[in-house]
Formats: sequence, C-alpha cells, structure tokens
Amino acid sequence: QVQLVQSGAEVKTPGSSVKVSCKASGGTLNTYTINWVRQAPGQGLQYVGRIIPVLGITHYAQTFQGRLTISADKSSSTTFLELTSLTSEDMAFYYCARGLGNGFDFWGQGTLVTVSS
Amino acid sequence: YVLTQPPSVSVAPGQTATLTCGGNSIGSNSVHWYQQRPGQAPVLVVFDDSDRPSGIPERFSGSNSGNTATLTISRVEAGDEADYYCQVWDSTSDHIVFGGGTKLSVL
Repeated sequence: QVQLVQSGAEVKTPGSSVKVSCKASGGTLNTYTINWVRQAPGQGLQYVGRIIPVLGITHYAQTFQGRLTISADKSSSTTFLELTSLTSEDMAFYYCARGLGNGFDFWGQGTLVTVSS
Repeated sequence: YVLTQPPSVSVAPGQTATLTCGGNSIGSNSVHWYQQRPGQAPVLVVFDDSDRPSGIPERFSGSNSGNTATLTISRVEAGDEADYYCQVWDSTSDHIVFGGGTKLSVL
C-alpha cells in the first residue's frame, strides 16, 4: 500500500517562500504523476500543479504561474512544492496526491502553511 | 470549466443520499468523487464515473450522463457525514477542476 508522507507545518511571513515535501513509501513515484492540491481554511479543493517524476515534466495551474516550482528526487521517491512571494491568500493545507488516470488515489496527510506577519 | 455542487444535502440514517455535480457536457468526461471528513485528507470513493477503489463499500456508486454526474450513497450511516467533492480533468485547459463540494449531513 502506497503511503505519501508530507513534511510538517510551516509558518511564513508575507513575501517569503515555502518548500513542502512529499515522500512515497511502499512503492515508487516514478511511474505515476504526483499532484498538489490546496485547501484554504473552510474552503474547497484547488488544483495547484503536478509532476511526472520519471520524466521531470511539470504542469502548473495558471493561478500560480511564475511563483510555483514542483520538482522530484527520484532516488528518494520525494516530490517538492515550492511557492514564492507568499501572501495571506496562500495560507492553506497543501496536499500531495498520486495520480490514477486523471483522478487521485492516494493522498498525503496535508501540510498546513500559515502566512502571517 | 465549472462544476456545480449543491452546498448541502441532508438524509436520515438508512436512507439514500443523492449528490449531484453539474457541468457542461460532463457526461463526456471521467468524473471522480472524494469524501473528506473533518480534519482529514480527501479519500477517493468513486473514479471514472462509477468504479470503486479497493476498500470502498458497495453502498457508494456513481453515474454520469449529459450535464450531470451523480454520487449515490445507499443505506447511509453516521460515518458517511462528510464533504464530498467531484473532480474532472478539463482537456481544453489541461487543468484539474473540482466542484465546490457538498456537505452531507446525516440527521
């Protein structure tokens, strides 16, 4: 059974950057896409972007173009999300999720990113 | 591409809950449904319109036609109380799109 384990909660100041990790255990990321989805407090789910780790091919939601980088370390089955120029609107739980077709079958536990001065 | 879900649905235990997801010609897309209990990550309950992942009870079923996809939960239990989200891939924009979610309350 695949498990996705994410890094711990982060507290950042406006204008700074955050990097969140997602490590797969019980399987490999290489043959799947890894997607990132975020959820602001009390709100719905929002697609952020994805990567195909074996190829390094990424896709970013237009909302985040220019300040989002998704990368992968194949040797450790870990995917990373880095978001720059943070504002209060970026405060959310960030989830990684493995792609099943164009749905998501396994999810990480979520990483809370708090943006506060 | 916009997916429209009713904000809330209420149902008594043992009854059937019908959750809808509206979108333009959504029947031509593959629809996936997620259950999210408070404080937890989403869980896939139906994929590709009507398939169930391993471990999901048969009480959960899905259908998709025309402009509406439907998640049906039979014999509803208290533990089914959660937010439910539909999701598709919009080929035009190559974006993943989620509905706004429906809060299922078990009376």
